[in-house]
Amino acid sequence: GAVVSQHPSWVICKSGTSVKIECRSLDFQATTMFWYRQFPKQSLMLMATSNEGSKATYEQGVEKDKFLINHASLTLSTLTVTSAHPEDSSFYICSAMSGGEAFFGQGTRLTVV
Amino acid sequence: AQSVTQLDSQVPVFEEAPVELRCNYSSSVSVYLFWYVQYPNQGLQLLLKYLSGSTLVKGINGFEAEFNKSQTSFHLRKPSVHISDTAEYFCAVSDKDSSASKIIFGSGTRLSIRP
Repeated sequence: GAVVSQHPSWVICKSGTSVKIECRSLDFQATTMFWYRQFPKQSLMLMATSNEGSKATYEQGVEKDKFLINHASLTLSTLTVTSAHPEDSSFYICSAMSGGEAFFGQGTRLTVV
Repeated sequence: AQSVTQLDSQVPVFEEAPVELRCNYSSSVSVYLFWYVQYPNQGLQLLLKYLSGSTLVKGINGFEAEFNKSQTSFHLRKPSVHISDTAEYFCAVSDKDSSASKIIFGSGTRLSIRP
């Protein structure tokens, strides 16, 4: 199956700094990627749909100025958590569609201290 | 819009016993259905999917699920579980008519296997 690579797998940052998470489709092109957030022992909540060459579509309640999404190429989408605070600590997962099936990255554990 | 309901947040089962994880969905359009497994601090792995055709779908690790349109259900089953099946299981749905539709997840069911 297709492979989606997410980097980094974990990151610790200081409160107030920004963190960038990358999501790459390794062996296919993805015009659309999805970003999810998962709190401990909870389900995946869709944050936004990343569209190559255009603006991302954010779900209701997600701050677009805080979670910046850039999808500059057909194989790369990035999520930047700006001015991170402890409440942004979470597990972030991206996915991309290929042949009607979603493939997920391995996730990024963000801890803001 | 679609939604997914997983009624059981936790299911404890003895090793080698059968298990069923329940999933119900609602949608105004035709859907694809999925079951994913997540091990601690890892991404999601696809167990199986229903796209069309036979309503009984077989997946990896001995799991299977049956699509029941009249009951809008897609329950996951395994006849005999192992300790290694301990994980979080998510039922999910996406819009069949969209080529790049987002996937909506249920709240998850934690399967714990007792020796």
